[in-house]
Amino acid sequence: GAVVSQHPSWVICKSGTSVKIECRSLDFQATTMFWYRQFPKQSLMLMATSNEGSKATYEQGVEKDKFLINHASLTLSTLTVTSAHPEDSSFYICSASRGESDTQYFGPGTRLTVL
Amino acid sequence: SQKIEQNSEALNIQEGKTATLTCNYTNYSPAYLQWYRQDPGRGPVFLLLIRENEKEKRKERLKVTFDTTLKQSLFHITASQPADSATYLCALGDGGGATNKLIFGTGTLLAVQP
Repeated sequence: GAVVSQHPSWVICKSGTSVKIECRSLDFQATTMFWYRQFPKQSLMLMATSNEGSKATYEQGVEKDKFLINHASLTLSTLTVTSAHPEDSSFYICSASRGESDTQYFGPGTRLTVL
Repeated sequence: SQKIEQNSEALNIQEGKTATLTCNYTNYSPAYLQWYRQDPGRGPVFLLLIRENEKEKRKERLKVTFDTTLKQSLFHITASQPADSATYLCALGDGGGATNKLIFGTGTLLAVQP
């Protein structure tokens, strides 16, 4: 149990375009989902926390108008990178929490490359 | 500012030996600490959680200790196998529910030689 999927697993796009990444909890309801970004050989950095039906809470330094997060249901959250630029190229990982514990279950990640 | 440090150098050990990874933190009072495994190009996989009032936790070949006085956690893999080769991340949390944020260390790369 506690499986989280992400789609797509990798994406290449042109600079200036928008990219949407989906995060799904497959076998449980996730009251909270988290979005992280990880650059090569660096730690996971939390971008935002989202609760179903509420606006996401963004970490300091993360532009909410650039990284749009929607958490429309208890099993789906989406991250849209708007007007992507090469510096947005990174590994984006989501996680989901069931709510009754402190454990976060991570998705397999999405590799974004902006040309 | 809050800081989490893990062995920056890769840890190379021989199959069958015990691997010990270190996680030190400063300017933080976590309610719990977690260890994750991350393979290249993949998301982290949860391994163990230990709370501030626990000294030690075990799960199969894994053992975690948590010393809140030293602000340190040790992660042990006994009878290590080449399949244990991966990056291991420690993460600290405030505790208290699903919306708590995790702060991750940079991870330690473990290589188990056959």
